[in-house]
Amino acid sequence: GIQVEQSPPDLILQEGANSTLRCNFSDSVNNLQWFHQNPWGQLINLFYIPSGTKQNGRLSATTVATERYSLLYISSSQTTDSGVYFCAPDDYKLSFGAGTTVTVRA
Amino acid sequence: GAVVSQHPSWVICKSGTSVKIECRSLDFQATTMFWYRQFPKQSLMLMATSNEGSKATYEQGVEKDKFLINHASLTLSTLTVTSAHPEDSSFYICSAELGQGWNGYTFGSGTRLTVV
Repeated sequence: GIQVEQSPPDLILQEGANSTLRCNFSDSVNNLQWFHQNPWGQLINLFYIPSGTKQNGRLSATTVATERYSLLYISSSQTTDSGVYFCAPDDYKLSFGAGTTVTVRA
Repeated sequence: GAVVSQHPSWVICKSGTSVKIECRSLDFQATTMFWYRQFPKQSLMLMATSNEGSKATYEQGVEKDKFLINHASLTLSTLTVTSAHPEDSSFYICSAELGQGWNGYTFGSGTRLTVV
């Protein structure tokens, strides 16, 4: 199966800071999805992004499929951004990385 | 938007009993659903792919007789943990692929199973 590496594993931010999360994957994929898992376990879809850049409010994502990586940018972080962020390349099924645990402090 | 409703949210059962978890697609038809398991502070592990009207496809190492999956309609898939033991305690999450006109996958809210 596809191997997925996410970095950093943990990230502590002061409210208002910006950050970049990285996802490397081992093989060509049809697409890639970013999720935020909140403290209650719910997975919230952030982006479905095969290539290029997408933005949604303070979040944006860039996937460079030819180089097999994707980046998630969080700008002006808020405490509600805390949680685990997963990337999941899609090769007819999702393969999840280990996640980045983000803690935003007030 | 497309919603997958998963029930129950949490369940406590005694060792040796069976537990059924349901996932329903509320406003779309889900030909394919996926079942995941997540241990504390770990990633999601795909257990099986459930196709409407056919047998589920299990990932390597997942006991199909232990985790029974039924996908009898385009809106309902169930996972039954049979003869549960404490090591089956985990967070189980279902997912459905969003078909034509949508992008990606949507997830249920998860079921926290505790076997005592």
